[in-house]
Amino acid sequence: EVQLLESGGGLVQPGESLRLSCTASGFSFSSFGMSWVRQAPGKGLEWVSGISGSGETTYYGDSVKGWFTISRDNSKNTLYLQTNILRAEDTAVYYCAKAGSTRDWYLDLWGRGTLVTVSS
Amino acid sequence: DIHMTQSPTSLSASVGDRVTITCRASQSISTYLNWYQQKPGKAPKLLIYTTSNLQSGVPSRFSGSASGTDFTLTISSLQPEDFASYYCQQSYSSPWTFGQGTKVEIE
Repeated sequence: EVQLLESGGGLVQPGESLRLSCTASGFSFSSFGMSWVRQAPGKGLEWVSGISGSGETTYYGDSVKGWFTISRDNSKNTLYLQTNILRAEDTAVYYCAKAGSTRDWYLDLWGRGTLVTVSS
Repeated sequence: DIHMTQSPTSLSASVGDRVTITCRASQSISTYLNWYQQKPGKAPKLLIYTTSNLQSGVPSRFSGSASGTDFTLTISSLQPEDFASYYCQQSYSSPWTFGQGTKVEIE
């Protein structure tokens, strides 16, 4: 079955870190770019970060550049997002998503999401 | 960064209505515009990619078009399962920004 499964979310205090994971199955993981997209409670979608299929090229949104790090382990079919120095405004459901093409970054497969809550 | 302005923010419509949602890019994005549907508590779902290509399994009542930097999602005859939020996204250049969303509600 083609699917993405996120894990690693939870409740953390401001300033703490968290590593999110996304395990892929059912497709050739290393052939496609991957992205993280987040959604704060009651808000819209915010694209956070992306990484090429090889892992050589990474991309970040302005709000997380310098704080978050995206990576992937193609031998484990797993995508990661290291989130550092978390702030209340980082509270959101974090989705991982697969690029639909090797030449485009529309997102054709999404996980169910993992909730990150930053609160003291 | 490319800013995507989506309108309206919300709309009320009835089953069978024709519904149009617009997304305007702050600069040229060629045809790199995609549409997603999201229902409460669920992950987004790709509807249309590259302006007008219907994702596999998506009903043909959904369609997309463009005029310059203005992009349109049209639902030809609204069905009960179409009441949801809709988002546009540009995939022309990073960061691949989303519009703020349009919530389609029952009138």
